[in-house]
Amino acid sequence: KNEVEQSPQNLTAQEGEFITINCSYSVGISALHWLQQHPGGGIVSLFMLSSGKKKHGRLIATINIQEKHSSLHITASHPRDSAVYICAPSSNYKLTFGKGTLLTVNP
Amino acid sequence: EAGVAQSPRYKIIEKRQSVAFWCNPISGHATLYWYQQILGQGPKLLIQFQNNGVVDDSQLPKDRFSAERLKGVDSTLKIQPAKLEDSAVYLCASSLGPSIADTQYFGPGTRLTVL
Repeated sequence: KNEVEQSPQNLTAQEGEFITINCSYSVGISALHWLQQHPGGGIVSLFMLSSGKKKHGRLIATINIQEKHSSLHITASHPRDSAVYICAPSSNYKLTFGKGTLLTVNP
Repeated sequence: EAGVAQSPRYKIIEKRQSVAFWCNPISGHATLYWYQQILGQGPKLLIQFQNNGVVDDSQLPKDRFSAERLKGVDSTLKIQPAKLEDSAVYLCASSLGPSIADTQYFGPGTRLTVL
């Protein structure tokens, strides 16, 4: 059983749409990271959160520790947002990565 | 500020051959990570260094994989001999320290194809 489940696995949207990517995890954690991976490999850390909500530009991340669930939202999506978004809960100083959600935003 | 550097970017070898990857972390970062990312999956931690000491190598296949960070800066990851299932992207990351609050900065990765 995967410790980290992301949904959907693939998501196609039109430019301007509101995007939601979900992450559920089964282990107790101290924090959760959201990362972005563009084609070619480069991974960039977007958020680290342990409670509540964080906002950075058009990106919003929320977490519910009791329900072991986190969401990443993108408002007014743009083709440059096309990438793989990875959820990574952390415990015992170690990250466990989800398989990622492939987002494609069409113009 | 220069990012995490990795080389080579691509490598194609035949099974049973050996291969080595190199990583130069961000200056001043004490913690260095090697991850294996198989196509369609998230990265899996292979080994974590704190300066030149190993913090976690529990998922490193030690019969064929080895890694070192002798001077606490650059690191090399070696596979000997390679198997078909080792085909993956090998990612190096570094952070100021081992805390989960320390952001990990990733290199571009080395894409390994084993034929």
